[in-house]
Amino acid sequence: EAGVAQSPRYKIIEKRQSVAFWCNPISGHATLYWYQQILGQGPKLLIQFQNNGVVDDSQLPKDRFSAERLKGVDSTLKIQPAKLEDSAVYLCASSLGLLASGSNEQFFGPGTRLTVL
Amino acid sequence: AQSVAQPEDQVNVAEGNPLTVKCTYSVSGNPYLFWYVQYPNRGLQFLLKYITGDNLVKGSYGFEAEFNKSQTSFHLKKPSALVSDSALYFCAVRDVREYGNKLVFGAGTILRVKS
Repeated sequence: EAGVAQSPRYKIIEKRQSVAFWCNPISGHATLYWYQQILGQGPKLLIQFQNNGVVDDSQLPKDRFSAERLKGVDSTLKIQPAKLEDSAVYLCASSLGLLASGSNEQFFGPGTRLTVL
Repeated sequence: AQSVAQPEDQVNVAEGNPLTVKCTYSVSGNPYLFWYVQYPNRGLQFLLKYITGDNLVKGSYGFEAEFNKSQTSFHLKKPSALVSDSALYFCAVRDVREYGNKLVFGAGTILRVKS
């Protein structure tokens, strides 16, 4: 079974530039998550999708971050404009489904390491 | 809101010795608890979870964890450590009563196993 795919793996940009990350979840997984992992910290949920609908985006800085999952499969996360404090690893994860209860474990991709200069 | 504490930034253990990585949690309702491991430049890998039932949960690579409701703890254990177990370990919790499947992670504990 193929895992969660993410690209690019690394990205270096200057502040005020824009950047986009792509994620393809495990086939059949209805729920998709984007996390931000700052060095020395645990992952923090940015946004959660159930199919193509947003379940939770309470921690997404909506003035600069946006995400979409138009067809309920792959997803993109965008930052515009980037700030120095956005330097982090952005992890995508997927799980079977929300309605199957929250007992389902999440499967993580390798992440995108973003450096903002 | 739920929270997780991993009180040790780093745990050092000799190969062959038992290891424990500590985790305590706080939720309003009942918890779902998870352990993940992260190797350098890789995403998190699921190790084990507690949902309900037996307080001792067995997972991947010989790891196990014990759920203790009275102490609100979910410590990760392994009877005999391997050098290859060296990695970053995260404990995570979800409040059963909350809508969604939001996991809250601890800050992580670095495990170093020396030969």
